[in-house]
Amino acid sequence: KAGVTQTPRYLIKTRGQQVTLSCSPISGHRSVSWYQQTPGQGLQFLFEYFSETQRNKGNFPGRFSGRQFSNSRSEMNVSTLELGDSALYLCASSLLSYGGETQYFGPGTRLLVL
Amino acid sequence: SQQGEEDPQALSIQEGENATMNCSYKTSINNLQWYRQNSGRGLVHLILIRSNEREKHSGRLRVTLDTSKKSSSLLITASRAADTASYFCATAGGETSGSRLTFGEGTQLTVNP
Repeated sequence: KAGVTQTPRYLIKTRGQQVTLSCSPISGHRSVSWYQQTPGQGLQFLFEYFSETQRNKGNFPGRFSGRQFSNSRSEMNVSTLELGDSALYLCASSLLSYGGETQYFGPGTRLLVL
Repeated sequence: SQQGEEDPQALSIQEGENATMNCSYKTSINNLQWYRQNSGRGLVHLILIRSNEREKHSGRLRVTLDTSKKSSSLLITASRAADTASYFCATAGGETSGSRLTFGEGTQLTVNP
């Protein structure tokens, strides 16, 4: 099976703009989670979607949002970008959403906000 | 905020030596997983150990879990230069937590040829 894919891989934006990142999970996986990785804060959970519904949400401002489509593909959106949003954004997929499974991560989207 | 801490933050060893990394966490867990990350790339899953397991092996990897001390360790035996990477532990809670993982701060392992 193909792994988790993320597009785009690299992105440069300026403050105030918005950005949309995409994640395609492993075929058959219904849960998609998003994480932000920065040198200062490490890996932090953004949100999880399962069967098109947001299941969990981390401690991020409302500028960060996401959605999941019927084919389990997911997008996350960041509006009104700030310099501190520069990070590696990782998505992970799993078959279900009960906490007992292996999470498979994509290669990430590196976002630079200028 | 991070669930716990990893120790050491950085580890430098010679090829062929063993590498041991430790992870501590704060809350009850369903399982604990270890991941590897090469220089800013995606995370590669290494091993998952459930809360009712004490030890697990996979190739050159050995993971232990002590739920009474809320700690885990990852041992890589006979290390290779290709093992150079950052290693993270991540904990998963119960069903209400869904697929959410809480990560430690990571250990940067350097294996010198």
